[in-house]
Formats: sequence, structure tokens, C-alpha cells
Amino acid sequence: DAGVTQSPTHLIKTRGQHVTLRCSPISGHKSVSWYQQVLGQGPQFIFQYYEKEERGRGNFPDRFSARQFPNYSSELNVNALLLGDSALYLCASSLGSRSAYEQYFGPGTRLTVT
Amino acid sequence: QKEVEQNSGPLSVPEGAIASLNCTYSDRVSQSFFWYRQYSGKSPELIMSIYSNGDKEDGRFTAQLNKASQYVSLLIRDSQPSDSATYLCAAMDSNYQLIWGAGTKLIIKP
Repeated sequence: DAGVTQSPTHLIKTRGQHVTLRCSPISGHKSVSWYQQVLGQGPQFIFQYYEKEERGRGNFPDRFSARQFPNYSSELNVNALLLGDSALYLCASSLGSRSAYEQYFGPGTRLTVT
Repeated sequence: QKEVEQNSGPLSVPEGAIASLNCTYSDRVSQSFFWYRQYSGKSPELIMSIYSNGDKEDGRFTAQLNKASQYVSLLIRDSQPSDSATYLCAAMDSNYQLIWGAGTKLIIKP
């Protein structure tokens, strides 16, 4: 079975630009979570979606938004990029959004903002 | 106190020995616990999940959870150079969100 896929793998953007990151979950998984990871730190939770509804939002500014589509794939959008948005963006999928459901990560998108 | 804390390391262990990784957590995160392995430049890979007190074994890996003392640990038996990585501890909070430690860097010396 295919694992979680993310695109693109690498991206270079300029300050002030907009970026869209994409994620396809494992087949049968209905929940997608997005994380930001900067070097030397653990992932920071951004959003969780389940059955196309937002189930959780981390402490990120409104420049960050996301959505989940009927096929359970998801997009993360970031507007007005700042240098500090440079990070590895991770998508994880799970069967559901509750505690018993393990999350499996995609390869990530490395975003560099110059 | 941070919600999930790990010693950043590096933890250096001889090949073939047992590596012991520890994680403590606060009252806010107490649902479920997970250990992930992350190689440099790669995404986290799930190793173990543990939900109840006691030990859980999977191959060379054993996760231990002690809710009274609020710690969770990961033991790696017969450590191999390929086990060298950063190990991330994650706990789920009451909103079903994963809260992460900063990770412990493990080095297995041949």
C-alpha cells in the first residue's frame, strides 16, 4: 500500500509570497494533520482535519489555512510568507482523530523562504 | 514545565548494548503515547504506541509507561549503528492533538 504522499518535496519562495502544500493520506485514512518542524525541534501542530472538518488548530497565525477534500487529501496554504516560515512541513494521516489512532507521516515538504 | 520533555542528548551507546530513552510529561497530556524515529533530513517514523501502564514489546523495542510517575521510556536492545537517529516522544492531549518533545539524539558506536 502507498504511504502518505506530499508535494512538492522542496520549495523556495520569496517573502510575501503564497504557498500551497499538498498531502494524500494512506488509503482508508480519514484524518490528516499538518505539522511544522524547524531544525532541532519536535514538530509543532498546525491543523487536524477529519471527514473534511477542522478538528483542531495549533498556535499559528491566520496566514496559515488548510482544507480537506472529499477524497481525504488535504492542502495547507500559507499567505504572506515570512523568513521564519522556513521549515519542514509534515503531513500525517490516521484512521480517525481520536487517541487510539496512530499517525503516519509523509516525507515532508522542505520550504525555504528567502 | 514543558508538556513533553526529553533529554536532547546526544546519548552514545556501544553497538550491541541496550539504549534507554526517556520522556516525561505533564498532566495536560495523558491520553496516549508514541515513539517516533527520525533520521536527519527525513520525516518521523512511528516505532511504538503505548496506551496503558506497563511494558509493550515489539522486536528489539520495548516501550514502558508509568502514569503515576508521568514518564514513558523506550528501550532498544542489541543496538545497531542503523538505530542512530533522533527519537521523538509524543503524547496526545485532551483535544486529541499530538504534543511533541524536542527529541533525543542517539548515537550507536560500532
